[in-house]
Amino acid sequence: DPKIIQKPKYLVAVTGSEKILICEQYLGHNAMYWYRQSAKKPLEFMFSYSYQKLMDNQTASSRFQPQSSKKNHLDLQITALKPDDSATYFCASSQTGGAYAEQFFGPGTRLTVL
Amino acid sequence: QQKVQQSPESLSVPEGGMASFNCTSSDRNFQYFWWYRQHSGEGPKALMSIFSDGDKKEGRFTAHLNKASLHVSLHIRDSQPSDSALYFCAASEYTGANTGKLTFGHGTILRVHP
Repeated sequence: DPKIIQKPKYLVAVTGSEKILICEQYLGHNAMYWYRQSAKKPLEFMFSYSYQKLMDNQTASSRFQPQSSKKNHLDLQITALKPDDSATYFCASSQTGGAYAEQFFGPGTRLTVL
Repeated sequence: QQKVQQSPESLSVPEGGMASFNCTSSDRNFQYFWWYRQHSGEGPKALMSIFSDGDKKEGRFTAHLNKASLHVSLHIRDSQPSDSALYFCAASEYTGANTGKLTFGHGTILRVHP
């Protein structure tokens, strides 16, 4: 059974629209993350949460907003979508936050903005 | 400048051969290193971590870290076709905030041919 669920697997959006990427983890972890992977750049850290509190935000734009409604959920809302937002977005989790903890990644949501 | 640099960009080895990957950091705050592997269409999966100078061996995988030069390597002996994937070096720094942020390199594509 998949331990980290990301929905949807594929997403196509038009420029200027808004989308929410869903992430749920069933590993009992206390820290969750979002990363982005595009053809032009390596995997990029976006956010980290620990016990539902924002620990780090490395996105330059407020168009990206994480939402943590439950301990094992960390959704990502993206507003005013741009073609440059096209990428695969990965959710990850770890038992605790910090440098030592292994991060487990979900299967990703591939977003295409037209 | 990319803070984590990997080489080579791609690698082809025969089945049963040795695959070697290199990673160098330009940031002395990076003290903890991970190797991740990503098969096509999947999320990255941690292979091993290395936090101390010297070698660390786990099965067919051996990592080496030299903190003075900020160089880390990964070697896979007896390579198998199932090892064909994208390999990432990732680094994290210990800070008071302990955010868990991983900084990834661009990756090395490994192809193991029969």
